[in-house]
Amino acid sequence: EPEVTQTPSHQVTQMGQEVILRCVPISNHLYFYWYRQILGQKVEFLVSFYNNEISEKSEIFDDQFSVERPDGSNFTLKIRSTKLEDSAMYFCASSTGFYYGYTFGSGTRLTVV
Amino acid sequence: GQQVMQIPQYQHVQEGEDFTTYCNSSTTLSNIQWYKQRPGGHPVFLIQLVKSGEVKKQKRLTFQFGEAKKNSSLHITATQTTDVGTYFCAGPVWVTGGGNKLTFGTGTQLKVEL
Repeated sequence: EPEVTQTPSHQVTQMGQEVILRCVPISNHLYFYWYRQILGQKVEFLVSFYNNEISEKSEIFDDQFSVERPDGSNFTLKIRSTKLEDSAMYFCASSTGFYYGYTFGSGTRLTVV
Repeated sequence: GQQVMQIPQYQHVQEGEDFTTYCNSSTTLSNIQWYKQRPGGHPVFLIQLVKSGEVKKQKRLTFQFGEAKKNSSLHITATQTTDVGTYFCAGPVWVTGGGNKLTFGTGTQLKVEL
């Protein structure tokens, strides 16, 4: 079964540093997403990406966040200057459309110290 | 904005007992999805319900969508240790740029004891 691949699985960074989280979505999917989950809490929407541009972003997704799909396969989330409160599990997901479920990657656990 | 609540927050059952989680949305949903997240894992899509009053079954799991399309439930018959995890409902919302975003429920964490 096709998978969404995320790297790294765990990233520790110092506050103020930039991090890039990487994802390879399923190749024939059209819609790409980043979600995050603070430990023990629900999964929160960050951003959706379609047709090579952001289609929607949440209030969490401020100017410190950006996404790119540089080469038609990889999908990245960049946090420019990390804060302690950015510590969370970040999930990449992709889907084929509105009436289809998402396939989530296994996540990147980001720890900001 | 849309809020999706689930009850209970936690449920401990003995293996073989039944389990139900209830999902309530503050707004009418076009459809609803259910996901399972094992401890330390990622959400895995289980099913989608679209029609008012729809009932779907997957082996021991029964999913129901309310008549008003504002609530849903997941019932597991005769739980097994493999059912351990957190069950989330999620309501998709169209986004104008294309696609949708999911508003996840608060989740119900299920623990099954032998």
